[in-house]
Amino acid sequence: AQTVTQSQPEMSVQEAETVTLSCTYDTSESNYYLFWYKQPPSRQMILVIRQEAYKQQNATENRFSVNFQKAAKSFSLKISDSQLGDTAMYFCAFMKQHRGSTLGRLYFGRGTQLTVWP
Amino acid sequence: GAGVSQSPSNKVTEKGKDVELRCDPISGHTALYWYRQSLGQGLEFLIYFQGNSAPDKSGLPSDRFSAERTGGSVSTLTIQRTQQEDSAVYLCASSFPSGATYEQYFGPGTRLTVT
Repeated sequence: AQTVTQSQPEMSVQEAETVTLSCTYDTSESNYYLFWYKQPPSRQMILVIRQEAYKQQNATENRFSVNFQKAAKSFSLKISDSQLGDTAMYFCAFMKQHRGSTLGRLYFGRGTQLTVWP
Repeated sequence: GAGVSQSPSNKVTEKGKDVELRCDPISGHTALYWYRQSLGQGLEFLIYFQGNSAPDKSGLPSDRFSAERTGGSVSTLTIQRTQQEDSAVYLCASSFPSGATYEQYFGPGTRLTVT
């Protein structure tokens, strides 16, 4: 079974500062994908960043980057230059590679509520 | 094109009644997923459809829950004899079977309240 753990239920950061959200996971799979999703109060889940487990290079999307440590099964999200619009619930998620394809259910952590204050 | 749409946005029902929740995936997406989000349980997988294959129903919590997908497009999640513990936000997602674009696109969800 796959489990995803987010140990920080809430975090806050001042605008323009940097914040790191933690995520660890447990799996016996060797091929998988990791994601960070953002869910603002509108309820709309939005993909922030994704990482293929076979890639050693950490993914980066503008102000968002990850620190992927495969051996430690750790996948943290760093948000640089935080903006008020980053306020949301952030979910870490895991997906197995399914029979060589990239389809499969997501396993989610419990989420971290991030508040960015002025 | 349009994103994933779900209806209704909110649904209030009495305990014991049946409800149907609808999901319209992005056109061309062959994979469709239902998840449930509640305060107590977080985000839970319910069911997954992929093309004409038999759906993965392993996440359905009881036989009161069922889902179908007609014509490989629209999906309906049905909850029979609703209970208060069914109160949650039901999220639908769809994706396209491409090695480069496997992102699951989510709809805005249906908030179900059972009174």
